[in-house]
Amino acid sequence: AQSVTQLDSQVPVFEEAPVELRCNYSSSVSVYLFWYVQYPNQGLQLLLKYLSGSTLVKSINGFEAEFNKSQTSFHLRKPSVHISDTAEYFCAVSDQGAQKLVFGQGTRLTINP
Amino acid sequence: NAGVTQTPKFQVLKTGQSMTLQCAQDMNHNSMYWYRQDPGMGLRLIYYSASEGTTDKGEVPNGYNVSRLNKREFSLRLESAAPSQTSVYFCASSHRERGYGYTFGSGTRLTVV
Repeated sequence: AQSVTQLDSQVPVFEEAPVELRCNYSSSVSVYLFWYVQYPNQGLQLLLKYLSGSTLVKSINGFEAEFNKSQTSFHLRKPSVHISDTAEYFCAVSDQGAQKLVFGQGTRLTINP
Repeated sequence: NAGVTQTPKFQVLKTGQSMTLQCAQDMNHNSMYWYRQDPGMGLRLIYYSASEGTTDKGEVPNGYNVSRLNKREFSLRLESAAPSQTSVYFCASSHRERGYGYTFGSGTRLTVV
């Protein structure tokens, strides 16, 4: 069965600094990969996803993630964070052809002014 | 579009009481899911319904039952609530032909005392 590991439970950074949130998954079979964001007291929103094609995928608010099949990773990066990026971020994976998503434990991103 | 609507938003139950969490989506999605979110554990799948008329157990189904009433609605029932079921519950839906991304409801915060 698939499993997802988010290597950091909390990541504190200063505003305008770069950030990387790490995500590794267990299986090397063909997968779909997702990052979701959860703002305080809200549901999860899809941030970006990799289904096929280019291994670098981007969101509309400056985040990007790169699919690395050999390392079974899908790390999320942003070159310069803003206070409004404060949220919890979840990595998720599904096997291609499967509909169920398996989620990581989440990484709480805290932006300090 | 309302997306995925969950009711109620908050609920306090006494041990042994029963209740039903309601979920409805208006996006014509085939699949619906119930997750629970607990600190440090990410989201864990309780039950899912790949299509109208079918339901399957997820990772943590014990103590719960579900009903896929029609394509729009997917309810979660706690027959005899226990303190271990104190959690935030999220309903989600997805459409296979749209890249498997989930749309989440805003959640139900349940406390069992």
